[in-house]
Amino acid sequence: GENVEQHPSTLSVQEGDSAVIKCTYSDSASNYFPWYKQELGKRPQLIIDIRSNVGEKKDQRIAVTLNKTAKHFSLHITETQPEDSAVYFCAAKTSYDKVIFGPGTSLSVIP
Amino acid sequence: EAGVAQSPRYKIIEKRQSVAFWCNPISGHATLYWYQQILGQGPKLLIQFQNNGVVDDSQLPKDRFSAERLKGVDSTLKIQPAKLEDSAVYLCASSLIGVQGGFFGPGTRLTVL
Repeated sequence: GENVEQHPSTLSVQEGDSAVIKCTYSDSASNYFPWYKQELGKRPQLIIDIRSNVGEKKDQRIAVTLNKTAKHFSLHITETQPEDSAVYFCAAKTSYDKVIFGPGTSLSVIP
Repeated sequence: EAGVAQSPRYKIIEKRQSVAFWCNPISGHATLYWYQQILGQGPKLLIQFQNNGVVDDSQLPKDRFSAERLKGVDSTLKIQPAKLEDSAVYLCASSLIGVQGGFFGPGTRLTVL
């Protein structure tokens, strides 16, 4: 069945450094890739997304890249701040709208 | 724009009891998802509706879990009887059909004793 893998499971960076989270998906029919941020005790919040016909998308300090051939996509956060500390989930949406989540990356930004 | 509404926010029950959760999606969103999120894990899709039809329920434990979405708007998820391992946050999300991310409700935190 469909599967999304995510690495690393935990990531610690110094404030101001960059953070990169990588995901792979199994269903080649997936056409949409959202990223969610979940702070402790709160609901997942959509922070950025990318469609299958785009290779890269940027929004201020965050960017996503997609390699459809390799079925890889990544989240890049630059100039990290303490408020970026959270669990980040990647997800892949198939052509029939099913959304599969990765297991999550716990990001800690050390002041 | 109002968000996804869920109730109750918290529920504590004993094992073998029954419980029901309610979700009201964002107006106009045809797709509705129920997820189970166990502490420290990613959301696991239980069931997905498109309007009032089921698109996917492959990971729904059908011997104890049931869900419906009458009239293609509100949805309820029921557990009967509950087990200890059902303790989790149950998240409802909705989206437009197509390339759009789901928007999550606040969740219901279920504790089974």
